[in-house]
Amino acid sequence: EPEVTQTPSHQVTQMGQEVILRCVPISNHLYFYWYRQILGQKVEFLVSFYNNEISEKSEIFDDQFSVERPDGSNFTLKIRSTKLEDSAMYFCASNREGAWTGELFFGEGSRLTVL
Amino acid sequence: QQQVKQSPQSLIVQKGGISIINCAYENTAFDYFPWYQQFPGKGPALLIAIRPDVSEKKEGRFTISFNKSAKQFSLHIMDSQPGDSATYFCAARNTDKLIFGTGTRLQVFP
Repeated sequence: EPEVTQTPSHQVTQMGQEVILRCVPISNHLYFYWYRQILGQKVEFLVSFYNNEISEKSEIFDDQFSVERPDGSNFTLKIRSTKLEDSAMYFCASNREGAWTGELFFGEGSRLTVL
Repeated sequence: QQQVKQSPQSLIVQKGGISIINCAYENTAFDYFPWYQQFPGKGPALLIAIRPDVSEKKEGRFTISFNKSAKQFSLHIMDSQPGDSATYFCAARNTDKLIFGTGTRLQVFP
């Protein structure tokens, strides 16, 4: 069964360092998302991406964050200068038709720990 | 306005019992209401979903009840099993994003 894969599963970084989280969405999907989940809290929307551009972003997704799809398969989230409060589980998700049906397929997440 | 309130935070049910999780929202622009199930160390997975023009949807042991006028919806798990032990999130769709509830940790004991 096709699945969304994410790497790394866990990354530890120092505050102020750049981090890139990588995702390989399901191959025929067209809409891509990043969500994050701070430990024990709810899942929060960060950004949606379609047709090689951001379609929507949340207040959390400030200038420190960026996304790109460099090679038609990978979908990356970059945090330029990490802060302690960026520590969370980051989930990539993809969907063939957009969030219209709510059927987002999530990866297993990348845990980011900022020290 | 963009919040989805979920309760209870945790739920303990005996095997065979009924698990009920409730959610409420304010934003009438929400137009799709999925429930996601999350096991430890895994990403959320779609369990069941409903549109606001339907009052109830059933899939196997899982049922969503939807009350549009009250802006509330709930998940009922009939004949709860230990394998149902997980965290459950309700969500609501607005434009191209899902707004998630705060989650309910369900534990089903044999």
